[in-house]
Amino acid sequence: TQLLEQSPQFLSIQEGENLTVYCNSSSVFSSLQWYRQEPGEGPVLLVTVVTGGEVKKLKRLTFQFGDARKDSSLHITAAQTGDTGLYLCAGYFYNQGGKLIFGQGTELSVKP
Amino acid sequence: GAGVSQSPSNKVTEKGKDVELRCDPISGHTALYWYRQSLGQGLEFLIYFQGNSAPDKSGLPSDRFSAERTGGSVSTLTIQRTQQEDSAVYLCASSFSADSTGELFFGEGSRLTVL
Repeated sequence: TQLLEQSPQFLSIQEGENLTVYCNSSSVFSSLQWYRQEPGEGPVLLVTVVTGGEVKKLKRLTFQFGDARKDSSLHITAAQTGDTGLYLCAGYFYNQGGKLIFGQGTELSVKP
Repeated sequence: GAGVSQSPSNKVTEKGKDVELRCDPISGHTALYWYRQSLGQGLEFLIYFQGNSAPDKSGLPSDRFSAERTGGSVSTLTIQRTQQEDSAVYLCASSFSADSTGELFFGEGSRLTVL
């Protein structure tokens, strides 16, 4: 059974600070996605990474995929109160077809 | 509508009753997923469909849970003889196809409370 470990589970920071969220597995991902979820809504896709070593940027968010494709990180620069929410990593694994497995999530609170 | 639609949005039931949760995927999406989410937690995979077939139903917690999809569109998740531990938000998502890079589009969920 593939499992995703996501850390930290909770993060409370001041506006303007930087933060990093980690996601890793003992199995190789065929691809990995990051989603963001706000209260009362479903998760929304932020990015998909496929190639080992890949780095993608989305405004102040930087996503990295490990060379071995077993880990990923999400870095937010100069966090804003609007970044508050639940961040979820999710992975597809080889031989698992279209099954997408989610991590436990990181609850981010950015205070003014 | 343009997005994934789930009903009911809220359901309160008594322990031992059966409940049905419905999901209308985005038109043209062949893959449909069901997840369960407890308060502030990650998503627990339940089952996914490609067309009307369910290649992986390994996440269904017990034989009280079942799901079906008809006409490659609407799906129903049924929980029989509900228990208090079934209380959670049940999220449905659809995707253009069930491949290894597909983006999932989620509904707003059905919040189930078992008293």
